[in-house]
Amino acid sequence: DAGVTQSPTHLIKTRGQQVTLRCSPKSGHDTVSWYQQALGQGPQFIFQYYEEEERQRGNFPDRFSGHQYPNYSSELNVNALLLGDSALYLCASSIRRTATNEKLFFGSGTQLSVL
Amino acid sequence: KQEVTQIPAALSVPEGENLVLNCSFTDSAIYNLQWFRQDPGKGLTSLLLIQSSQREQTSGRLNASLDKSSGRSTLYIAASQPGDSATYLCAVRPGQAGTALIFGKGTTLSVSS
Repeated sequence: DAGVTQSPTHLIKTRGQQVTLRCSPKSGHDTVSWYQQALGQGPQFIFQYYEEEERQRGNFPDRFSGHQYPNYSSELNVNALLLGDSALYLCASSIRRTATNEKLFFGSGTQLSVL
Repeated sequence: KQEVTQIPAALSVPEGENLVLNCSFTDSAIYNLQWFRQDPGKGLTSLLLIQSSQREQTSGRLNASLDKSSGRSTLYIAASQPGDSATYLCAVRPGQAGTALIFGKGTTLSVSS
């Protein structure tokens, strides 16, 4: 049973560019959440997708957008990259109807470096 | 606004020692609290989940407690091993609509042999 998978594992971009990160949830999970973790900090919630719609959003600008596909996989897009966007981006999956009371499963993350 | 604080930020112990990691949160209205382990540059592995109605959870050498009224949780690691070296993160799920977790900054543990 595959867990949460993310691609790519590492990415280097320059300021002003755009980036797309991908996530496949754990088998049987229908909800995907994205988190940003800066060096030395705890993860911060970006947004959550369920039934192909954004259901909840954290305090991130509109440059951060996402998408969920019918197979529950998800993408995180960041436009007009800033140096401060350099971070580990984590994807987490869960089952919507039981998510509140169950563990959240995380992928290994994508390390994004903006030069 | 819910805030999660973890003390200490870093901890170094010799192998075999029992240790306690602390987590505090400002709003006691939570659904649950989860402890995670993170190895350098890697994702998060869930260790223990405590529901708001529970007082503690145990898994192997790990024991997590929750005192919701005082806004505190502890993670107890018995007989520490070098393989326990990692960053331990505490996260609460707020008692409001939505399921986003709010994390502390973590405690980085180093166990020497």
